[in-house]
Amino acid sequence: NAGVTQTPKFQVLKTGQSMTLQCAQDMNHEYMSWYRQDPGMGLRLIHYSVGAGITDQGEVPNGYNVSRSTTEDFPLRLLSAAPSQTSVYFCASGTWTGWADTQYFGPGTRLTVL
Amino acid sequence: DQQVKQNSPSLSVQEGRISILNCDYTNSMFDYFLWYKKYPAEGPTFLISISSIKDKNEDGRFTVFLNKSAKHLSLHIVPSQPGDSAVYFCAARFYNQGGKLIFGQGTELSVKP
Repeated sequence: NAGVTQTPKFQVLKTGQSMTLQCAQDMNHEYMSWYRQDPGMGLRLIHYSVGAGITDQGEVPNGYNVSRSTTEDFPLRLLSAAPSQTSVYFCASGTWTGWADTQYFGPGTRLTVL
Repeated sequence: DQQVKQNSPSLSVQEGRISILNCDYTNSMFDYFLWYKKYPAEGPTFLISISSIKDKNEDGRFTVFLNKSAKHLSLHIVPSQPGDSAVYFCAARFYNQGGKLIFGQGTELSVKP
């Protein structure tokens, strides 16, 4: 049981390049989410999904696309990277047990856009 | 507009004493609250949570208190240990919207031996 895995751990992009951050979970969780962490800003929700085929925008969705074709995977796509997207990105998965909502986070991807 | 606020960026406490971390929220549609702990270069790890229908939840050294009328929650750590030194985030979930958490800015706790 690997939990939530993210690849790559580090990435450097040039302005205008595109890339996909990968996220996978093996806990059969229905919820998956992407957050970015910036100094002094906490974690901000980018996009989230409540099940395969269902996605919705979070607080800061501009510049990012997501899709959820399977329960396990939730990739985050940067279409045209900008320096403002330099951040640490965390993927999370979770489930509602009927009395508790628990979300588990991956180790993060540190992205630098030059 | 910050819907979840942690107004203290840092807190320093002596080992063995109580640590109290505070969090305020503005949206009445939040129905569930969580605390996460984060070490550098790692993802946040779940610590404790509370439903909006309760006012207290306890798990070992950690207790979360919720005051709905004041839209305020707090995390108490008793006794504090040096290994508790980390950044603590509070998070709030919109009513019945699993996966949609709004986080505060975090409070860095330092527990000194």
